[in-house]
Parts: sequence; C-alpha cells; structure tokens
Amino acid sequence: GQNIDQPTEMTATEGAIVQINCTYQTSGFNGLFWYQQHAGEAPTFLSYNVLDGLEEKGRFSSFLSRSKGYSYLLLKELQMKDSASYLCAVRDSKAAGNKLTFGGGTRVLVKP
Amino acid sequence: KAGVTQTPRYLIKTRGQQVTLSCSPISGHRSVSWYQQTPGQGLQFLFEYFSETQRNKGNFPGRFSGRQFSNSRSEMNVSTLELGDSALYLCASSFGGRPYEQYFGPGTRLTVT
Repeated sequence: GQNIDQPTEMTATEGAIVQINCTYQTSGFNGLFWYQQHAGEAPTFLSYNVLDGLEEKGRFSSFLSRSKGYSYLLLKELQMKDSASYLCAVRDSKAAGNKLTFGGGTRVLVKP
Repeated sequence: KAGVTQTPRYLIKTRGQQVTLSCSPISGHRSVSWYQQTPGQGLQFLFEYFSETQRNKGNFPGRFSGRQFSNSRSEMNVSTLELGDSALYLCASSFGGRPYEQYFGPGTRLTVT
C-alpha cells in the first residue's frame, strides 16, 4: 500500500516563501505530483517529478528525493490568490496509467 | 478546447437508491479517472478507464462501478447508496500517454440522506 503525509495547514504572509513538505511510503513509485485546489473548485496540475532534483516553473518549484521518500513544493513571492489546498500524489509503479494516491492536502492561507 | 464536463453538478439521493454520474473528457482524451473527495478521507482513486477498458481500480466496494463508451465519455454508478457515499465525485481526463497531464472536471456533489 501507500502512505502519504503532508501538513494539514500553513500560514504565510503575502510576498513571502512557503515550503510544503510531503513524505511517502510506497511499495512502488513512478512519479510524484502536486496539485492546487481552490475551495469549491477542481484540482489543477502544478508539477510532476519522477527523477531526483528540483523542477522549477515560475514561482513554483518542486523537489524530489526518491531515496528519502520526500518531496516539497516551494511557493515564492506569495500572492493572495495562492490561498488554496495543495495536494501531493504518488503514482503506483505497478499500475499502468493514472492510479494516483493523494495525501490529505495542505491548506495554505496567505495573509496580507 | 472545452474542458472536462460532469453532470449533474449537484444531486440529492436517499439511502438505498442508486445513482449514475456522467463525465465527458476533453476532446481527444482517451483516459478517464474517477475520484471521491470527502473531508475525512481526502481524494481517493476509484477507477480509470482507457479505450473502454478498466485499466486501474481503487479499493472501493463493488457497489461502485463504471464504464466508458466509444466516444470516451464515462459513467460511474453507485448502487445501494449509503450515507457515507456523500462526497464530491471528480473525474479527470488525459490523453493517455502522459499520465501527469490530467485535467479535472468541476465534480458532482452527491448528498445521500
């Protein structure tokens, strides 16, 4: 089975940086995803890591260490619109296609 | 290009009834995945269909079933509804070859009373 842990809630100030950690334990690993979900809306894809290292995409970066079962999502220059839940998800290596296991999500509140 | 559409958006059912939800993927997408989202359990994978075949299945009872049509539209059915089935049901579509490009629909909010 798979177990994914991430903090429940984080608060940060507009313009600051926030790092959301995600640890996972899986029987097989074939990629880690980060999604953003605003209240009442559908999740939207942010990033995908399958190899170790940092992937940067504008204000958002995602890091993966497969040996440590660890990832983080870094949000820079926080804006009020970044207030949302951030979901970490792992893809099972034994399954073809899109079988993803999600963590409980981290609710980020950006304050002025 | 139109996004993923789900119908209905809201539904209220009674315990013991059955319900069918529909998902129309983005044009050209062949994979449709279904998820259940609740405050307590978060987002949980139900199943995935690709080219009319179930490719993956989550850990849900047999009351949850689905199918995909030749035009890639998908339906999921829940029989003998229980109070715990109240949730947001999301579908996500992707082309099929690149698993990280999954696009979610707005969801169907199911309330079981």
